[in-house]
Amino acid sequence: GQQLNQSPQSMFIQEGEDVSMNCTSSSIFNTWLWYKQEPGEGPVLLIALYKAGELTSNGRLTAQFGITRKDSFLNISASIPSDVGIYFCAGHSVGADGLTFGKGTHLIIQP
Amino acid sequence: EPEVTQTPSHQVTQMGQEVILRCVPISNHLYFYWYRQILGQKVEFLVSFYNNEISEKSEIFDDQFSVERPDGSNFTLKIRSTKLEDSAMYFCASKSWQYDGYTFGSGTRLTVV
Repeated sequence: GQQLNQSPQSMFIQEGEDVSMNCTSSSIFNTWLWYKQEPGEGPVLLIALYKAGELTSNGRLTAQFGITRKDSFLNISASIPSDVGIYFCAGHSVGADGLTFGKGTHLIIQP
Repeated sequence: EPEVTQTPSHQVTQMGQEVILRCVPISNHLYFYWYRQILGQKVEFLVSFYNNEISEKSEIFDDQFSVERPDGSNFTLKIRSTKLEDSAMYFCASKSWQYDGYTFGSGTRLTVV
């Protein structure tokens, strides 16, 4: 099946720092979505991207749909303690109804 | 804010037993999904359901799995004869249009012993 390579696997940062994570695919995706998951909960949608080159913000979060349609990044500015969690990229490959997820980036913030 | 509701939150079952996981999607949504997440791993697609039929299923969704929308509100996942490797979090999700972002439920943790 489709594979998404998400990096980094984990990040240990200081509160207030900016964060950047990305996902790449060997094939074209029609949509890119970024989710956050906290322990014992389901993934919560942060940002949805539908067009190549699209840059979308949601508060301190900014994500872009790569122009090749094979990658996306998520940036978090001025991190705060509640940003802790696992961030997943996900997307629809061409013709697929189900989402393919990345393996997640575990964000840990040190005060 | 509308929610996807899943019950039970945790189910323990003996290997070989049948389990039914229940979901109530958001009421005006048309597309319904089941995903699973083995502990510490990524979320994996199982099946999508639209217009009262399966529209896509993954290779994980074999003959032991089935889905049903028995009435206008519930969406169920049945595992006919559970195996140890079926232990995972199972997430139901729904959305209102094809490429919308999904709303996920909080999941059912299935433990097969």
